[in-house]
Amino acid sequence: DAGITQSPRHKVTETGTPVTLRCHQTENHRYMYWYRQDPGHGLRLIHYSYGVKDTDKGEVSDGYSVSRSKTEDFLLTLESATSSQTSVYFCAISEYGTGGPNEQYFGPGTRLTVT
Amino acid sequence: AQSVTQPDIHITVSEGASLELRCNYSYGATPYLFWYVQSPGQGLQLLLKYFSGDTLVQGIKGFEAEFKRSQSSFNLRKPSVHWSDAAEYFCAFITGGGNKLTFGTGTQLKVEL
Repeated sequence: DAGITQSPRHKVTETGTPVTLRCHQTENHRYMYWYRQDPGHGLRLIHYSYGVKDTDKGEVSDGYSVSRSKTEDFLLTLESATSSQTSVYFCAISEYGTGGPNEQYFGPGTRLTVT
Repeated sequence: AQSVTQPDIHITVSEGASLELRCNYSYGATPYLFWYVQSPGQGLQLLLKYFSGDTLVQGIKGFEAEFKRSQSSFNLRKPSVHWSDAAEYFCAFITGGGNKLTFGTGTQLKVEL
């Protein structure tokens, strides 16, 4: 299994509070991603990173920000949590091979509940 | 628009029966295609992938998938389902830069004993 950890694994927070989720990898992969998973929607990309300090928006980036100050860590921040951000959040990593893109490896997920 | 469609939200099969999960994509060229499986409360695990070459690809756990360009499909198959195959299955593809995956909405597989 790819060395990906997410913390916390579960969190309950109140509307309007800031929340930071952490993804840590030990694989030294260049690319890191944050997805959210909701019933009926599959997984949707929030933000991704293609290197230290290099990030870009995904499909559902509103209300989220990210930071990557070192290769192994990718942080997702909800500046002011809303109930619509209740979801399961997955981190993923990948590397780009000489033959093309490689598969993404997923972390165990963080279940976030905003009350 | 680029998208992945999994037409079946839920599928129930008997243990030992064959399985086919459907996946269709909308993209102007041949994308890089993947099937992932998610067991309850777990992350996603890669079953198989198609980049180019032989259109029938073999994966882990006895699964295979066939890429059909003419039908824009990448259906997942297994000849004999085991009770442990009960999970949610996601088809996905990569298009464009950034190695970004676009997922289908998933198919929930139930296996009857």
